[in-house]
Amino acid sequence: KAGVTQTPRYLIKTRGQQVTLSCSPISGHRSVSWYQQTPGQGLQFLFEYFSETQRNKGNFPGRFSGRQFSNSRSEMNVSTLELGDSALYLCASSLRTGDNEKLFFGSGTQLSVL
Amino acid sequence: DQQVKQNSPSLSVQEGRISILNCDYTNSMFDYFLWYKKYPAEGPTFLISISSIKDKNEDGRFTVFLNKSAKHLSLHIVPSQPGDSAVYFCAASARNSGNTPLVFGKGTRLSVIA
Repeated sequence: KAGVTQTPRYLIKTRGQQVTLSCSPISGHRSVSWYQQTPGQGLQFLFEYFSETQRNKGNFPGRFSGRQFSNSRSEMNVSTLELGDSALYLCASSLRTGDNEKLFFGSGTQLSVL
Repeated sequence: DQQVKQNSPSLSVQEGRISILNCDYTNSMFDYFLWYKKYPAEGPTFLISISSIKDKNEDGRFTVFLNKSAKHLSLHIVPSQPGDSAVYFCAASARNSGNTPLVFGKGTRLSVIA
């Protein structure tokens, strides 16, 4: 069974640009969550989608947005990039919403903003 | 304000000895706690969890202890092996408060020296 797949693996952007990251969950998983990992803040929750609906949202500005498609694949978008957005963005999937014990993470997308 | 705190950024232990990783939390609503392990270039993987109705949970070499009155939990690894070298994240959720996302600590980097 394939794991959680995130693309691209690495990304370099400049301030002011926008970026779209993609996540394909494990087959059959309907919940997708996104986390930002930085050395100073650890893993911080961005949002969770279940059946194409946003179920939870973390404390991030509106420049961070996401969506989920009918096949459970998810994308997150960051507009007007800032230097502080440089981070590892992790996607995690689970069978059900709130199934925290069985979160499966992808390897992440490393975003560098110059 | 960090609701889940891992005050030791790093820990070095000799192979065969015990590793003790600590975690403190501030939110009294948290009732479910998890440990995740992360190797470089990979996503975090679930290691062990404990519900607030218990004070200890054991799985092979890994044991998690919970002290609710002190709002403190710890992960014990005995005996430590070089393959345990990774970053360990403590996480918490408030299951009885509905569908709340995991709140992670900043992580502790464990180095097991052969």
